[in-house]
Amino acid sequence: DAKTTQPTSMDCAEGRAANLPCNHSTISGNEYVYWYRQIHSQGPQYIIHGLKNNETNEMASLIITEDRKSSTLILPHATLRDTAVYYCIVRVIGGTSYGKLTFGQGTILTVHP
Amino acid sequence: GAGVSQSPSNKVTEKGKDVELRCDPISGHTALYWYRQSLGQGLEFLIYFQGNSAPDKSGLPSDRFSAERTGGSVSTLTIQRTQQEDSAVYLCASSLAGVMNTGELFFGEGSRLTVL
Repeated sequence: DAKTTQPTSMDCAEGRAANLPCNHSTISGNEYVYWYRQIHSQGPQYIIHGLKNNETNEMASLIITEDRKSSTLILPHATLRDTAVYYCIVRVIGGTSYGKLTFGQGTILTVHP
Repeated sequence: GAGVSQSPSNKVTEKGKDVELRCDPISGHTALYWYRQSLGQGLEFLIYFQGNSAPDKSGLPSDRFSAERTGGSVSTLTIQRTQQEDSAVYLCASSLAGVMNTGELFFGEGSRLTVL
């Protein structure tokens, strides 16, 4: 699976949009982009995933560049409860990779009042 | 229950003792994964089960670590002769299918192991 690069940490004011970038310049055509987050002392939580089209759900939006070499996770109205480590992961669906996810160090997002 | 259940939530043991950690996945989930997370570190993959078989054990750090899954449901991770470096949070996750998994893993709250 392709490697991802994320900033170590980011800050965001409560109520503002949080935009978390991820670089995956070696992504291949059959690899999806996934985002998970881990709130302190909890297990990771799935947020969203996409292949090449932008995706939106009740939690967030995922914007993938046309060349697919980078993406941005957007939390439209960040709250204090969104403070967490956010992981960007790219992986193939199916084949021999099973469902195994390889987690990097992620971005520590701190939402402040 | 509705989510992945792990027990015990906390375990303190002495160096050299054996420990067993249990994971009860979401009903109907055929794929099950064990990860561990040492203090301040990222998540490290340990083992993957599809049904009762484990096609990927590549993350088990030593032969002191083993895992089994019975009835396609509950899994037990066993650590023999525990060492202080085994101290970590052990996380279990499950998902609907293996090969065609869409990437949505559902994680439990973890079992925090402390080896004195």
